[in-house]
Amino acid sequence: DIQMTQSPSSLSASVGDRVTITCRASQSISSYLNWYQQKPGKAPKLLIYAASSLQSGVPSRFSGSGSGTDFTLTISSLQPEDFATYYCQQSYSTPRAFGPGTKVDIK
Amino acid sequence: QLQLQESGPGLVKPSETLSLTCTVSGGSISSSSYYWGWIRQPPGKGLEWIGSIYYSGSTYYNPSLKSRVTISVDTSKNQFSLKLSSVTAADTAVYYCAREDEMAVAGKSMSYWYFDLWGRGTLVTVSS
Repeated sequence: DIQMTQSPSSLSASVGDRVTITCRASQSISSYLNWYQQKPGKAPKLLIYAASSLQSGVPSRFSGSGSGTDFTLTISSLQPEDFATYYCQQSYSTPRAFGPGTKVDIK
Repeated sequence: QLQLQESGPGLVKPSETLSLTCTVSGGSISSSSYYWGWIRQPPGKGLEWIGSIYYSGSTYYNPSLKSRVTISVDTSKNQFSLKLSSVTAADTAVYYCAREDEMAVAGKSMSYWYFDLWGRGTLVTVSS
């Protein structure tokens, strides 16, 4: 099975900051990588699919990159509504696997 | 606009079977290119994929749960269901149903899959 890791596990940032979250797969997954945002008490929301494709309706300040085993999610200018937990997920094979999450909170 | 809604008991006793249903509204569960999945999240923890089903009944499960999981579909009711047997306190979680969408890409042998629509989730507590 493919294992997913994320770093950091949490970070503190200010509105307007550029934020980068890293996701790593235990083996190559090409670009079969998705990113989700989850706010407390809410279901996850798809942000990025296929490593770099922006889901419809998601602000352009979110971007994804990477291929193989290493991926990044970047928020170019953090907004108040972006404080949340972010998860990566591989869709290269089953079982589908999520990363442990990165919590972004207010500095 | 397609929506998913989980339903089922919020409290299950240890050793019993957890049963949940996801009702799809605003669209057909029989549409091609979609799988329908279950994902859970223990309180304060991360997301765990349980399994997914196609409208034809084709399923795939997380091996860590496979011996206890059954996912089924009822196209006449536009629903799919989860049964998890022999539950313990470790199965206490918010259970989400979700649509897994497919994007085929020219030149790629494999499609991209992603969970693009989710239900609101339902908390199931395992306790006597």
